[in-house]
Amino acid sequence: EPEVTQTPSHQVTQMGQEVILRCVPISNHLYFYWYRQILGQKVEFLVSFYNNEISEKSEIFDDQFSVERPDGSNFTLKIRSTKLEDSAMYFCASSDLGEQYFGPGTRLTVT
Amino acid sequence: AQSVTQLGSHVSVSEGALVLLRCNYSSSVPPYLFWYVQYPNQGLQLLLKYTSAATLVKGINGFEAEFKKSETSFHLTKPSAHMSDAAEYFCAVSDLPGNQFYFGTGTSLTVIP
Repeated sequence: EPEVTQTPSHQVTQMGQEVILRCVPISNHLYFYWYRQILGQKVEFLVSFYNNEISEKSEIFDDQFSVERPDGSNFTLKIRSTKLEDSAMYFCASSDLGEQYFGPGTRLTVT
Repeated sequence: AQSVTQLGSHVSVSEGALVLLRCNYSSSVPPYLFWYVQYPNQGLQLLLKYTSAATLVKGINGFEAEFKKSETSFHLTKPSAHMSDAAEYFCAVSDLPGNQFYFGTGTSLTVIP
């Protein structure tokens, strides 16, 4: 069964550093998403992406965040200058207009 | 705007007992409703979804949910809990295909042997 994959599974970075989280969505899906889950809290929407542009974004998704689909398979989330409060599990998802299929997540720890 | 309320952040049931996890939604349009399960250190796995077809939806692992428009609810049930059901359960709502999901705060299910 096709699945969404994410790398790395765990990323530790120092405050102020840039990080790039990578995702490979399901190949025939056209809608891509990033969500985050701070430890013990609910899953929060960050951004959705369709047709090579952002279709929706939340107030969390400020100028420190960017997304890109650099090629036909990868979908990346970049955080330019990480803060302690960016520590969370980041989930990528993709959909074909039905349910969203989630990846296993990248745990980002900012020290 | 859409929102989801999950009553009960922690639910404990005995093995073999009925599981009932509550979800109420707020939506200005007919909603698309989902239940996801998250096992420790894993991602979100779809249990079932409601997309305006049958109001009683059957999912994986013996779970089902009933959409009740009058109560704006989409509660998740399973007749007989199994130890392997212990996990975090999230209800989610979307207003249109392709749009973002709004998640509830989750319910942690503990199954007591």
